[in-house]
Amino acid sequence: TQLLEQSPQFLSIQEGENLTVYCNSSSVFSSLQWYRQEPGEGPVLLVTVVTGGEVKKLKRLTFQFGDARKDSSLHITAAQTGDTGLYLCAGERSGRPNFGNEKLTFGTGTRLTIIP
Amino acid sequence: SAVISQKPSRDICQRGTSLTIQCQVDSQVTMMFWYRQQPGQSLTLIATANQGSEATYESGFVIDKFPISRPNLTFSTLTVSNMSPEDSSIYLCSVELAGKNTEAFFGQGTRLTVV
Repeated sequence: TQLLEQSPQFLSIQEGENLTVYCNSSSVFSSLQWYRQEPGEGPVLLVTVVTGGEVKKLKRLTFQFGDARKDSSLHITAAQTGDTGLYLCAGERSGRPNFGNEKLTFGTGTRLTIIP
Repeated sequence: SAVISQKPSRDICQRGTSLTIQCQVDSQVTMMFWYRQQPGQSLTLIATANQGSEATYESGFVIDKFPISRPNLTFSTLTVSNMSPEDSSIYLCSVELAGKNTEAFFGQGTRLTVV
């Protein structure tokens, strides 16, 4: 079983602070996604990273894929209350062409609360 | 992208009864999945709903407890049978669109409470 461990599991910080969430595995993934889920809704895709060492920015959010494609991080600068939610990473298995029948492996989740 | 409509959005059910959750997608998709999510926790895959054949269940989930239908490429149902309070959870329908990279789209979920 390919496991994606996220840390921390829970994080509560003041508005305006910076934070980093980690997603780690012993397995290699061909791509990795980050999702955010708000109460009463399904997860929504934020970003996909595919190349080892790749860095993508989405406004105040910076996503990085590890060089070995086994881990990823999400950094939020100057957190806002709207960033509150459950953050999930998800990996697509490596070494197999995408024929449309690959299941994503979801991480253990990080619940982020931004305090006004 | 894909728009997924899932219903009901929530329900409170008596133990021993069954509930069927419906998932409608606005386009034809090959891969449809059903997940269970305890509040505030990550997703646990129940099964892959296959069009034209039986669903593929993950370890710990069986067809008698979670029968799944997939009559066409835009629709699926998940039934939670003979419910007990331990089945109280959020159930999510998901599709994965194959392209350059697999990306998942989710319904809004069904919050089930069994009393």
